[in-house]
Amino acid sequence: RKEVEQDPGPFNVPEGATVAFNCTYSNSASQSFFWYRQDCRKEPKLLMSVYSSGNEDGRFTAQLNRASQYISLLIRDSKLSDSATYLCVVNQAGTALIFGKGTTLSVSS
Amino acid sequence: GAGVSQSPRYKVAKRGQDVALRCDPISGHVSLFWYQQALGQGPEFLTYFQNEAQLDKSGLPSDRFFAERPEGSVSTLKIQRTQQEDSAVYLCASSTLGGSERDRSYNEQFFGPGTRLTVL
Repeated sequence: RKEVEQDPGPFNVPEGATVAFNCTYSNSASQSFFWYRQDCRKEPKLLMSVYSSGNEDGRFTAQLNRASQYISLLIRDSKLSDSATYLCVVNQAGTALIFGKGTTLSVSS
Repeated sequence: GAGVSQSPRYKVAKRGQDVALRCDPISGHVSLFWYQQALGQGPEFLTYFQNEAQLDKSGLPSDRFFAERPEGSVSTLKIQRTQQEDSAVYLCASSTLGGSERDRSYNEQFFGPGTRLTVL
């Protein structure tokens, strides 16, 4: 079993749709949680950190449930430019990042 | 300012050939990480340096993989006797994390563009 599991993709949605990605992690010692975005043939880039209290950045909302070891990302009012692979990532005390396999989102007009 | 750079961007090697991949981290970044990303997968950790010290090499898949960072800045990942299963994108990341055991909060890792290795 992989340490970080994500929804299988791809997600194909029309512009303006709301889409949710889910992720679970197996190591309860994980301390930091993130969503990274990776465009085709590009490097991963930090989209947002995820906190237990939940956090929002514009159209993006991330949630963390430590008890169930579950992380989510909600994208509202999807744009064409949101098309990418979204990687769920966990980290322990500033060491290596542990990535999920990624979920591909394709937003169409 | 300049981000993380990697070279070459693309490398085609014949099976059995040795390759060397270079990473130039962001100036002043203490920590440097190497990851391997196979097609359709997320990046997987290979090794970690803090300055010139290699603190974790648990992700290196075999003894054919070797990494160094002799002066605490530029790093080289070397793969000896390449095999087809080594074909992947090799990503380097750097961050400002450093300091004592007490201060191990997360600092963002900034990734380079990667080297796409194809072994024929």
